[in-house]
Amino acid sequence: GESVGLHLPTLSVQEGDNSIINCAYSNSASDYFIWYKQESGKGPQFIIDIRSNMDKRQGQRVTVLLNKTVKHLSLQIAATQPGDSAVYFCAEKGYGGATNKLIFGTGTLLAVQP
Amino acid sequence: GAGVSQSPSNKVTEKGKDVELRCDPISGHTALYWYRQSLGQGLEFLIYFQGNSAPDKSGLPSDRFSAERTGGSVSTLTIQRTQQEDSAVYLCASSPRTGGGQPQHFGDGTRLSIL
Repeated sequence: GESVGLHLPTLSVQEGDNSIINCAYSNSASDYFIWYKQESGKGPQFIIDIRSNMDKRQGQRVTVLLNKTVKHLSLQIAATQPGDSAVYFCAEKGYGGATNKLIFGTGTLLAVQP
Repeated sequence: GAGVSQSPSNKVTEKGKDVELRCDPISGHTALYWYRQSLGQGLEFLIYFQGNSAPDKSGLPSDRFSAERTGGSVSTLTIQRTQQEDSAVYLCASSPRTGGGQPQHFGDGTRLSIL
């Protein structure tokens, strides 16, 4: 069935360390993936996206890695800061007849310790 | 005010009442989406609008839920005869177009509480 899941529901890191948030997706036909950050009381904020014809994409302090062989997605945050504390969601663009919706995982809470 | 705007930000109502939630997408965005987020959960797709095409209603959980998009811009999500299980945050998103991979930009949602 359709599912995008996260391995770790909570991740606690020290300020300045690198963070890695993982995500598994179920459908090998999915061709577009997004990471969102959601702070309390706010809507999801776009961080970075990647298409299936890429393995890696870098942004400012963030890198997304896509491993299509094992259907795995990860978000790496360099030099994690307290402002990075939030829930992070991966999302997969729907496939087949539902190509316009995003399928979200349940989220990982990133807690940055000062 | 360049982002997606939703109103009200909070809504408390009694079971059985009807509610209307409003979304103003980013100007020029032709695609508009509604999602529902229950406490501590990911987002659940409800409905999608693209231009003048028929909306994709495949995510609406029951016939008590409906949505309109007038003039290709503002959208209203209506829930009739609300139930306690309808309590959630309702999020609206827009994107320039669909297909090919376009990030959806979200508003801050309407937090709906059914007493």
